[in-house]
Amino acid sequence: QSALTQPASVSGSPGQSITISCTGTSSDVGTYDYVSWYQQHPGKGPKLMIYDVSNRPSGVSNRFSGSKSGNTASLTISGLQAEDEADYYCCSYRKSSTPVVFGGGTKLTVL
Amino acid sequence: EVQLLESGGGLGQSGGSLRLSCAASGFTFTSFAMSWVRQAPGRGLEWVSAISGSGNTTYYADSVKGRFTISRDNSKNTLYLQMNTLRAEDTAIYYCAKRDSTSGYLNSFDYWGQGTLVTVSS
Repeated sequence: QSALTQPASVSGSPGQSITISCTGTSSDVGTYDYVSWYQQHPGKGPKLMIYDVSNRPSGVSNRFSGSKSGNTASLTISGLQAEDEADYYCCSYRKSSTPVVFGGGTKLTVL
Repeated sequence: EVQLLESGGGLGQSGGSLRLSCAASGFTFTSFAMSWVRQAPGRGLEWVSAISGSGNTTYYADSVKGRFTISRDNSKNTLYLQMNTLRAEDTAIYYCAKRDSTSGYLNSFDYWGQGTLVTVSS
């Protein structure tokens, strides 16, 4: 089964806003509000940034926000900072024999 | 402070077995579902398996079903992954991850270990 679809890379300048998309199907993103987002810096473990589509864990900057429309979930980062440069992964429940699926990942470059 | 410490990685033979462990501390282990997530070198994250807090319910990715077994010993606050019939494509860093306490499903992982590298040679 295929992973959720993310753009391979996005970029933005400091202070700008960027959005990373995560496209699934009616078996996952389109029907269930169980989408989470992770940030991973090189050589480090992932960090939870958003859960259940739009909820931020304690300690995560409010510059990070999540949303969903149809089969596509989105992560928006406002006021880009150099430290935001990392890989980002979406993750969703999928009604299938493999109940959890990740996106392929998006490399964010801060110019 | 929540800590997850994986061990047991290393070099395995194709067709062979390895057992990974994840020692947990800093939270009530039995109250939380736990997962294994892996990352092949230079690749993205792939969910492997999950287990409920009690250990009564398990979940697997199709890619490992029938070969890997997840288990936990709540008396030792330890999560395990028994990996059998290893394949070259199982080569990856394996992370254990704790389910977030407030999320609606077990795919929200609020704490991760540092990972343990499994290399399968053919």
